[in-house]
Amino acid sequence: GALVYQYPRRTICKSGTSMRMECQAVGFQATSVAWYRQSPQKTFELIALSTVNSAIKYEQNFTQEKFPISHPNLSFSSMTVLNAYLEDRGLYLCGARETGGNQAPLFGEGTRLSVL
Amino acid sequence: DAKTTQPDSMESTEGETVHLPCSHATISGNEYIYWYRQVPLQGPEYVTHGLQQNTTNSMAFLAIASDRKSSTLILPHVSLRDAAVYHCILRAQGTGSKLSFGKGAKLTVSP
Repeated sequence: GALVYQYPRRTICKSGTSMRMECQAVGFQATSVAWYRQSPQKTFELIALSTVNSAIKYEQNFTQEKFPISHPNLSFSSMTVLNAYLEDRGLYLCGARETGGNQAPLFGEGTRLSVL
Repeated sequence: DAKTTQPDSMESTEGETVHLPCSHATISGNEYIYWYRQVPLQGPEYVTHGLQQNTTNSMAFLAIASDRKSSTLILPHVSLRDAAVYHCILRAQGTGSKLSFGKGAKLTVSP
């Protein structure tokens, strides 16, 4: 079946350092990948939408300089949180789907980031 | 600017059939209705989706109003494992994997 894996599941970093998280699609081609952050208050924020062979579109309040994303092929994407601070805490979610059909976006379990 | 409206919470008892309502009065013709559920510390789990016709799968039955301005997710014989926050989301064709999550509806299931 189609699945999305994210790793690490949990990570802790010191304030001002950076953290890279990965997203792996299995059983389908992840043509489109969206990265979200779910805050401790449970609200979802879309960070960016990445489509293979197209420019990555960042939402307002999120930038490539802070959250660089790589989407090199149809099964993998990564995102780095640069210079993480307390406000960057949360559950980072990767949602992926294969475009051109009626497939629903599938999510990984998320990477929980804590910042000390 | 949430495009869907759900109750904040609903309560149920094991074995009951639960009806989770969702209002989407401004839905566009090219927007699908998606339902996901999420338990603490995990990513959203896909439940079902539909465009116009009612749909059914092993998890739930999705009833879509004829004018598409509302829908109801029906969970038959709920168990404790069905306790989660249920999200009703609209996704337009051509928007890739982008979804706009709201607060969702928290379903509590009692023994």
